[in-house]
Amino acid sequence: KAGVTQTPRYLIKTRGQQVTLSCSPISGHRSVSWYQQTPGQGLQFLFEYFSETQRNKGNFPGRFSGRQFSNSRSEMNVSTLELGDSALYLCASRPTGLNPEAFFGQGTRLTVV
Amino acid sequence: AQSVTQLDSQVPVFEEAPVELRCNYSSSVSVYLFWYVQYPNQGLQLLLKYLSGSTLVKGINGFEAEFNKSQTSFHLRKPSVHISDTAEYFCAVSDLTNTGNQFYFGTGTSLTVIP
Repeated sequence: KAGVTQTPRYLIKTRGQQVTLSCSPISGHRSVSWYQQTPGQGLQFLFEYFSETQRNKGNFPGRFSGRQFSNSRSEMNVSTLELGDSALYLCASRPTGLNPEAFFGQGTRLTVV
Repeated sequence: AQSVTQLDSQVPVFEEAPVELRCNYSSSVSVYLFWYVQYPNQGLQLLLKYLSGSTLVKGINGFEAEFNKSQTSFHLRKPSVHISDTAEYFCAVSDLTNTGNQFYFGTGTSLTVIP
C-alpha cells in the first residue's frame, strides 16, 4: 500500500507570493491533517479535513487555507508569503474519524526568500 | 488543553547501550499517546502507539514504551541502540473528539548514538 504522498518535496518562493502544496493520503483514508514544523515553534497543527469538510483548525492566520477533494486528496494554500512561513509542512492521513492513529508524509520544505 | 513535555532535548548514548527518552503529558480526556521518529529531511514515522489495553507497548526497531497514568508519563526505551537509531524523536498526545483529531507534540529529543 502506498504511503502518504506530498508534492513537491522542495519549494522556493518569494515574499508576497502564494503557494499550493498537495497531499495524497493512503488509499481508503478519509482524514487529512496538516502540520507546520519550524525550529522555533516545533510541530504545530494547521487544520484537518474529513470527507471534504474542515473539522479542526489551529491558531494560524487566514493566509493559511486548505481544501479536500472527493478522492480525499488535499491541498494547502498560503497566500502573501512571509519569511516566517519557511518551514517543513507535513501532511498526515487517518483511516476513519474515530481512529487517532496518523501516518505522515515526507513533507514539503518551503523556503521563502 | 493538552500538552506534552519531553524532558531531554539531546541524548547522547554509546552504541549497544540502553536508552530511555522521557515524555510527560497533560490531558483531561481519554489518552492516546504516540512516539514518532524523524530522520534528517524526512517526515514522521510512527514508532509505537498507546490507544488502550496493555500499558507496555512494543513498536518497530526494538523500541517499547510504558504508559503510566499515575505519573502521566510515556517513556520510550530501547535495550541496545544502533548507529541507525540516530534521529529526532517526538512524543505526541492525540486530542480525538467528535469534531476531529489534533496532535500535540513535544519539542523533540535528538538521540545521537556514538560508535
